[in-house]
Amino acid sequence: DAKTTQPPSMDCAEGRAANLPCNHSTISGNEYVYWYRQIHSQGPQYIIHGLKNNETNEMASLIITEDRKSSTLILPHATLRDTAVYYCIGGSNYKLTFGKGTLLTVNP
Amino acid sequence: SAVISQKPSRDICQRGTSLTIQCQVDSQVTMMFWYRQQPGQSLTLIATANQGSEATYESGFVIDKFPISRPNLTFSTLTVSNMSPEDSSIYLCSAAGRGRGTYEQYFGPGTRLTVT
Repeated sequence: DAKTTQPPSMDCAEGRAANLPCNHSTISGNEYVYWYRQIHSQGPQYIIHGLKNNETNEMASLIITEDRKSSTLILPHATLRDTAVYYCIGGSNYKLTFGKGTLLTVNP
Repeated sequence: SAVISQKPSRDICQRGTSLTIQCQVDSQVTMMFWYRQQPGQSLTLIATANQGSEATYESGFVIDKFPISRPNLTFSTLTVSNMSPEDSSIYLCSAAGRGRGTYEQYFGPGTRLTVT
């Protein structure tokens, strides 16, 4: 699995876009980038994943750089309920290796 | 996506006893997993639960301590044996199936275990 690096914490104002960066410079060609989040005292929640192309779903957008060495998860209109630890994971199979993630705090 | 439930949601157990945690998925899935999350830490994979055969354990986890069963495609159990206070953690079940190009993995709500 690719090693990923994320900032330990970030703040965002409610209603604004939250942009969470992730570096995965060692990612190989067949490894996907997955994003999960964990709201306090709950199980992790799948957000989105991508390989090369940018992806969007009802929760978020994932922007992957052309060289695939980094990506950004975008929550377009953050709410207080988006306060959570966000995990960026690089992998090519069903095994997920969780790092420490980014604690995103959305402030009113 | 899959909806996953776990029982119990939490328990307080005495040292030296064992606890079995149940995991139920609402649809047939390819893979099921068990994770541990120690206080203030990230998730660590314990093992892959294999249907009809022995689980595949990650380094540092052994069958005698964490026996796992998976009798069918939607159900699995994890037993935490001979518990000590160091086993106090959240134990999470997850399930994975083929999604867009790769596996998509979904998690249960977790079982919060406190060992006294």
